Amino acid sequence: EPEVTQTPSHQVTQMGQEVILRCVPISNHLYFYWYRQILGQKVEFLVSFYNNEISEKSEIFDDQFSVERPDGSNFTLKIRSTKLEDSAMYFCASSTDLGPEAFFGQGTRLTVV
Amino acid sequence: GNSVTQMEGPVTLSEEAFLTINCTYTATGYPSLFWYVQYPGEGLQLLLKATKADDKGSNKGFEATYRKETTSFHLEKGSVQVSDSAVYFCALSEMNRDDKIIFGKGTRLHILP
Repeated sequence: EPEVTQTPSHQVTQMGQEVILRCVPISNHLYFYWYRQILGQKVEFLVSFYNNEISEKSEIFDDQFSVERPDGSNFTLKIRSTKLEDSAMYFCASSTDLGPEAFFGQGTRLTVV
Repeated sequence: GNSVTQMEGPVTLSEEAFLTINCTYTATGYPSLFWYVQYPGEGLQLLLKATKADDKGSNKGFEATYRKETTSFHLEKGSVQVSDSAVYFCALSEMNRDDKIIFGKGTRLHILP
């Protein structure tokens, strides 16, 4: 069964460093998303991406964040200068235009020290 | 704005007990409704969905019915198993194909053998 894959599964970085989280969405999907879940809290929407541009972003998604689809398969989230409060589980998701549900990857746990 | 409210956890039950996890929503439009499940150490998996009023979503013995009149989507299972121990998230998405998913805070379920 097709699935969304994310790498790495866990990343530790020093405060102020740049990180890139990588995702390979399901191949025939058209819409791509990033969500995050701070430990013990709710899953929060960060950004949606369609047709090679951002279609919506939340207040969390400030200038420190960017997304890119550098080729036909990868979808990346970059955090330019990480802060302690960026520590969270980051989920990538994708969906088709056939239904409202999104399919999520296993997540990348980002720890900023 | 749109929001989802679900019962606080943790919920602890004995194996074979009946499960209900309450979920209500607020939406400006006519959303699709979901239950996602997060097993320990794993990502978010779609458990079931319903896209219009009175629809019943079902999967793995779990059921939820879209009740527009009470704006509810309660999750039920007649006989829980230890393997059902997980965090359950109620969620909604508006009808636009690329619209974000809004999650509730999650309910941790613990099943005792």
